[in-house]
Amino acid sequence: DIVMTQTPLSSPVTLGQPASISCRSSQSLVHSDGNTYLSWLQQRPGQPPRLLIYKVSNRFSGVPDRFSGSGAGTDFTLKISRVEAEDVGVYYCMQATQFPVTFGQGTKVEIK
Amino acid sequence: QVQLVQSGAEVKEPGASVKVSCKASGYTFSNYAMHWVRQAPGQSLQWLGWIHAGNGITKYSQRFQGRVTITRDTPASTVYMELTSLRSDDTAVYYCARATISGWENWGQGSLVTVSS
Repeated sequence: DIVMTQTPLSSPVTLGQPASISCRSSQSLVHSDGNTYLSWLQQRPGQPPRLLIYKVSNRFSGVPDRFSGSGAGTDFTLKISRVEAEDVGVYYCMQATQFPVTFGQGTKVEIK
Repeated sequence: QVQLVQSGAEVKEPGASVKVSCKASGYTFSNYAMHWVRQAPGQSLQWLGWIHAGNGITKYSQRFQGRVTITRDTPASTVYMELTSLRSDDTAVYYCARATISGWENWGQGSLVTVSS
């Protein structure tokens, strides 16, 4: 199975300041079709997860442009340019390049 | 708009089975795949399996092979996930999620399954 490792596991951030989460996979996430099926999910307290970013860097419909994704191969990053109060929650990276689908441990973003 | 509405919370004894439903609306049901994942209290997400709603092809996590079965009822636009031989560590919120070319676009609200004697 592909292991997804996120750092940090907790990120206290001041409102209006940037935040960055790293995700590393145990093997390359490049699929044989040329796509990299790395997504980022946001889970607010008491809510189901929500898709933010798909295929590394594509922002899903309705996601604010302060969220951006980057990376390639085995190293990926989610950045929030200016954290707002509504961004509090846990963020997960997930890979769907290879079965079984696997997820990172989650990074908790909270306001300082 | 797309909606995935899951069945309600369940309490089961160890060794029993549970069947969770996920009713879809707002899109052509048979054109997409549906995944099932679960989240134990305070934990990350764990993938159970997947079904293509059109042809019924399934794939399961080896970890749950033999205990999980995912089916669909096309006329009812509903996907089901059944987990057997329940143990206390199966206590979790179970989610369905619709997969598109953009990723897992839509999620159900979650169904809490509690396994306790």
